[in-house]
Amino acid sequence: GAGVSQSPSNKVTEKGKDVELRCDPISGHTALYWYRQSLGQGLEFLIYFQGNSAPDKSGLPSDRFSAERTGGSVSTLTIQRTQQEDSAVYLCASSLDRGLGEQYFGPGTRLTVT
Amino acid sequence: QKEVEQDPGPLSVPEGAIVSLNCTYSNSAFQYFMWYRQYSRKGPELLMYTYSSGNKEDGRFTAQVDKSSKYISLFIRDSQPSDSATYLCAMSRLSGSARQLTFGSGTQLTVLP
Repeated sequence: GAGVSQSPSNKVTEKGKDVELRCDPISGHTALYWYRQSLGQGLEFLIYFQGNSAPDKSGLPSDRFSAERTGGSVSTLTIQRTQQEDSAVYLCASSLDRGLGEQYFGPGTRLTVT
Repeated sequence: QKEVEQDPGPLSVPEGAIVSLNCTYSNSAFQYFMWYRQYSRKGPELLMYTYSSGNKEDGRFTAQVDKSSKYISLFIRDSQPSDSATYLCAMSRLSGSARQLTFGSGTQLTVLP
């Protein structure tokens, strides 16, 4: 079946502009995660959605970052007033439930802030 | 100090070699241990998953967990050029409402034909 999809695959933006990144999870997966991967670094947890529960935003690095998930499916990560240090690959993952941590990742969005 | 430490490499081996990839961790609350493979410009792909100390084998891959030493390993037998990728260890614990994953920084592996 279809995996996790993300769009755009690449995004170049000027410092100070806002960007929106989209994630389509695997159909039926109730949990959705956003991560950030910087060059040579591991994955940094950003935010987690589970069903209709309030999201876990504990990993968001600043209030410029926000995310929403509409209808329990598609999610959008928004970065306002982008900074050069926001340049990274943003990865989305989904899982069937929160039980065992088997997360399936999308291909990521490569964000470059100039 | 990071909760999960992983040698970044790069590691280069000839085809057919046995590869050993390792991670150490400091938090005994980690319950589940995973290895992900990430090809260039792709998302991580789950390779192996285990929750107990000991070995778990899947084809050419063996995952080993030693909870007493807080040490996990991934062995690749008869390595192939197609195994060239970055390998990320990941660990999870139940934290609040989320089964959060904590990742190592990844080891870049190249298998030379």
